[in-house]
Amino acid sequence: EPEVTQTPSHQVTQMGQEVILRCVPISNHLYFYWYRQILGQKVEFLVSFYNNEISEKSEIFDDQFSVERPDGSNFTLKIRSTKLEDSAMYFCASSASLPDTETQYFGPGTRLLVL
Amino acid sequence: GESVGLHLPTLSVQEGDNSIINCAYSNSASDYFIWYKQESGKGPQFIIDIRSNMDKRQGQRVTVLLNKTVKHLSLQIAATQPGDSAVYFCAESGAQKLVFGQGTRLTINP
Repeated sequence: EPEVTQTPSHQVTQMGQEVILRCVPISNHLYFYWYRQILGQKVEFLVSFYNNEISEKSEIFDDQFSVERPDGSNFTLKIRSTKLEDSAMYFCASSASLPDTETQYFGPGTRLLVL
Repeated sequence: GESVGLHLPTLSVQEGDNSIINCAYSNSASDYFIWYKQESGKGPQFIIDIRSNMDKRQGQRVTVLLNKTVKHLSLQIAATQPGDSAVYFCAESGAQKLVFGQGTRLTINP
């Protein structure tokens, strides 16, 4: 069964450093997303991406965040200068069509710890 | 505004019993709802979905009920098993994103 994959599974970084989280969405999906989940809290939307551009972003997704689809298979989330409060699980998701018509499927997540 | 909430943060049931997890949503224009299961250290896993033109949808051992009048959603799990232990989230789908509720932690007692 096709699935979303994410690397790395864990990332530890120093405050102020740049991190890149990587995702490989399901191959025939066209819509891509990043969400985050602070420990013990609900999953929060960060950004949606379609046709090589951002469709929607949340207040969390400020100028320190960027997304890219560098090739036909990868989808990345970059945090330019990490802050302590960026520590969270980051989930990538993909869907075949718009989220109000098709289910989003989630990857296993990357646990980011900023020290 | 968008918000999706759950009635109880934790639910404990005996193995073999049925479980009911509830969710309230605030956006009456919401059209599509999904239940996800999240096991410890893993990503949300799709369980079942329902559209606003339906009141009930059944899957394998799971049923989702939608009451649009009171903006309430529930997930029923029949004959719960130890593997059902997880946090369950309802999510409301907007045009470009999902809005998740706080989650209910389901614990199965032997």
